[in-house]
Amino acid sequence: DVVMTQSPLSLPVTLGQPASVSCRSSHSLVHSDGNTYLNWFQQRPGQSPRRLIYKVSNRDSGVPDRFSGSGSGTDFTLEISRVEAEDVGVYYCMQGSHWPHTFGGGTKVEIK
Amino acid sequence: EVQLVESGGGLVQPGGSLRLSCAGSGFTFNSYWMNWARQAPGKGLEWVAIIRHDGSDKYYVDSVKGRFTISRDNAKNSLYLQMNSLRAEDTAVYYCARSLGAYWGQGTLVTVSS
Repeated sequence: DVVMTQSPLSLPVTLGQPASVSCRSSHSLVHSDGNTYLNWFQQRPGQSPRRLIYKVSNRDSGVPDRFSGSGSGTDFTLEISRVEAEDVGVYYCMQGSHWPHTFGGGTKVEIK
Repeated sequence: EVQLVESGGGLVQPGGSLRLSCAGSGFTFNSYWMNWARQAPGKGLEWVAIIRHDGSDKYYVDSVKGRFTISRDNAKNSLYLQMNSLRAEDTAVYYCARSLGAYWGQGTLVTVSS
């Protein structure tokens, strides 16, 4: 199985400051169709996961433009340009290029 | 508006069975791969099973192979997860999700305990 490793585990951030979450995969996530199925999810306390980014860098509808994704191959990053109070929660990367699809362990973003 | 609504969770004894359902609306159900994922209490997310839009392909995570069966009824816009031989480690909130997580339901809690 593809192992997804996220860092850091916990990320205290000052409001208005940037935040960055790293995700590394044990295998290349380039699918045989040429796409890289690396998604980012946000899970606020007590809520279902919400997809923010799909295929590395594409923002889902309604997602604020302060969220951005980048990377390639086995190394990916989610960035929040200016953290707001509503961004508190756990962020997960997920690969959908190989079955079983697998999630990273999560990064908890909290306000300092 | 896309909606996914799960039902069927509850308390079951080890070795027992449960069938989860997910009703989809607001989109062309028979055009999408559908999935079940789960989250144990206080833990991360795990993809459990996935089924092709026409039901012709199904994949399972190793920990549920031979015990869980994913199925769908496109005429009813519904997705199912038949869970047999349940174990304590299957205790989790089970989510229905469309494609690669574009949309999620609110989840249904399955508790396996004597």
